[in-house]
Parts: sequence; C-alpha cells; structure tokens
Amino acid sequence: DTAVSQTPKYLVTQMGNDKSIKCEQNLGHDTMYWYKQDSKKFLKIMFSYNNKELIINETVPNRFSPKSPDKAHLNLHINSLELGDSAVYFCASCPVGGQVTGELFFGEGSRLTVL
Amino acid sequence: AQSVTQPDIHITVSEGASLELRCNYSYGATPYLFWYVQSPGQGLQLLLKYFSGDTLVQGIKGFEAEFKRSQSSFNLRKPSVHWSDAAEYFCAILNTGGFKTIFGAGTRLFVKA
Repeated sequence: DTAVSQTPKYLVTQMGNDKSIKCEQNLGHDTMYWYKQDSKKFLKIMFSYNNKELIINETVPNRFSPKSPDKAHLNLHINSLELGDSAVYFCASCPVGGQVTGELFFGEGSRLTVL
Repeated sequence: AQSVTQPDIHITVSEGASLELRCNYSYGATPYLFWYVQSPGQGLQLLLKYFSGDTLVQGIKGFEAEFKRSQSSFNLRKPSVHWSDAAEYFCAILNTGGFKTIFGAGTRLFVKA
C-alpha cells in the first residue's frame, strides 16, 4: 500500500481554470504538508495542517486554498490558475509535527502544467 | 531565520568513486539536519538525519554524513558511488518550532560509467 498518495499525478489545464489535487496518507500521522517544487527543483513549503488545523501558511496567494477534512487527507484547490503555478506539488506527512522523528514522508508529486 | 545552502548545483562522479556533497546551514542552536534523495519522477526519501549525539550519522544505501558545528556543515558522503545513485540530493533543516522543514536548493548527482 502506498503510504502517501496524491491524485492526479499529471494535470494539464488552461489559464483561469480551477483545479484540485488530493492527498491521502495511511501512516496515522498528525501533520500534513503541501510543498511546491519549481522547474529548478527548489522546494518551498506552502501549507501545513496538524490534526486538521492550519498551522503554516507561507504567504501563498489566496487563490490557493487547502482543506483537511480529517487528519489523513489534505487537499489543495487552486482558483484562477496562472502560468506561474506550473510546478510539481508534493504532499508530505510527518508524525507529531516533526518533533518526534523529523522525517517527512512524501507522495510522488502532482505535476501541474498551466497553458 | 534558519537556512540551508548547497553550494554545488550539480556534480559528476565516476562509478566506484567516492562522493561528497556539501551542505552549510545557518542556525543559532543545535540544528536538526536531514539529507533527502529524489529520483526522477519520484518524491523525496530520507537518507539520514542528525538530531544530537554522535556527529557521524549513518543512513540508508551506504550514505553517511558528518555534522561539524565549527563549520556549520553537514556534508553527505559515500565511499563508492553506484549508477543508481544518480538523483537530486537535498539537505534540509527543521525549524525551531519543529513543524517546518526548510530545504536547500539541491545538488544533482550524475554518475558516469
């Protein structure tokens, strides 16, 4: 079984559209994250939820809205997509906010291409 | 604020040769440091981590890293590189609150036959 799974793996869409990426983890972790990886492989944290509560919001445009219906799921909805949103979005999870092991468990990524 | 610098954008080594990837960090207290590897088209996987104690830490796939406080460094090493080690390597630091991992820009490793 995949520990952290994201869907879809690939997403191609037009500017101005709205899209969502879903993430699920079956590791029983309390904390989940969204990271954005740009074309130069730079990884930037976007959001983090701890047990369904938003704890990190890294000055991401409000076109991006995360939602965590329960601690095993963290979805990312993006409104009015722009060319600069093209990237690979990674979901990750961690037990108890990293204070226990610090290890992040990553999904395989969702590659978003905005045309 | 904590930060991580990986000075080398890419490195090429011959198969069987030794490898050292550099990482420097900025943090006032004892840092929590990590090395992750990303194979093409994949997510990141933890290679090893340093929290405290022995400054030489062993990881998976034959990798090790040494924490040097005096140099603010946490360099990754492997004595003999295999072709399958070709990947992107990220050094990372955990922030004070323990909820945010900050990544370096990554070093791309190429392995030549």
